[in-house]
Amino acid sequence: EPEVTQTPSHQVTQMGQEVILRCVPISNHLYFYWYRQILGQKVEFLVSFYNNEISEKSEIFDDQFSVERPDGSNFTLKIRSTKLEDSAMYFCASSAVGTRNTEAFFGQGTRLTVV
Amino acid sequence: AQSVTQLDSHVSVSEGTPVLLRCNYSSSYSPSLFWYVQHPNKGLQLLLKYTSAATLVKGINGFEAEFKKSETSFHLTKPSAHMSDAAEYFCVVSDPGANNLFFGTGTRLTVIP
Repeated sequence: EPEVTQTPSHQVTQMGQEVILRCVPISNHLYFYWYRQILGQKVEFLVSFYNNEISEKSEIFDDQFSVERPDGSNFTLKIRSTKLEDSAMYFCASSAVGTRNTEAFFGQGTRLTVV
Repeated sequence: AQSVTQLDSHVSVSEGTPVLLRCNYSSSYSPSLFWYVQHPNKGLQLLLKYTSAATLVKGINGFEAEFKKSETSFHLTKPSAHMSDAAEYFCVVSDPGANNLFFGTGTRLTVIP
């Protein structure tokens, strides 16, 4: 069964460092997403990406965040200068069409710890 | 604005007894509603979805949910709990025209042998 894969499973980084989280979506999907879950809080939408551009983003997704699909298979989330409050589980997801009518498939998550 | 309220942060049932996980939503439009499950160290897996077809939706592993517009509810049920059902369950809403999902805070289901 096709699945979304994320690497690494756990990333520890020092405050102020740049970090890149990687995702390989399902191959024939067209929409890609990043969500995050701070420990003890709800899963929050960060950004959606379609046709090589951001289609929606939340207030959380400020100038410190960027996304890229560099080679047609990977989908990355970059945090330029990490803060302690960026520590969270980050989930990548993909869907064939928009999430109004179909399910999003989620990866297993990357736990980011900023120290 | 869309939002989801999961009324119970933790539900504990005995194996073989019914499961009820409650969810209420708020939406300005006719929403799509989903239940996702997360087992430890695993990704989020779709259990079932409602997208304006039949109001009683059947999902995987014997779970089902009923969309009740008058009550703005989408409760998840299963007639008989199994040990493997122990996990975190998320109720999720998506509005027309939206391309993102709004998650509830989750309900942790514990199944007692």
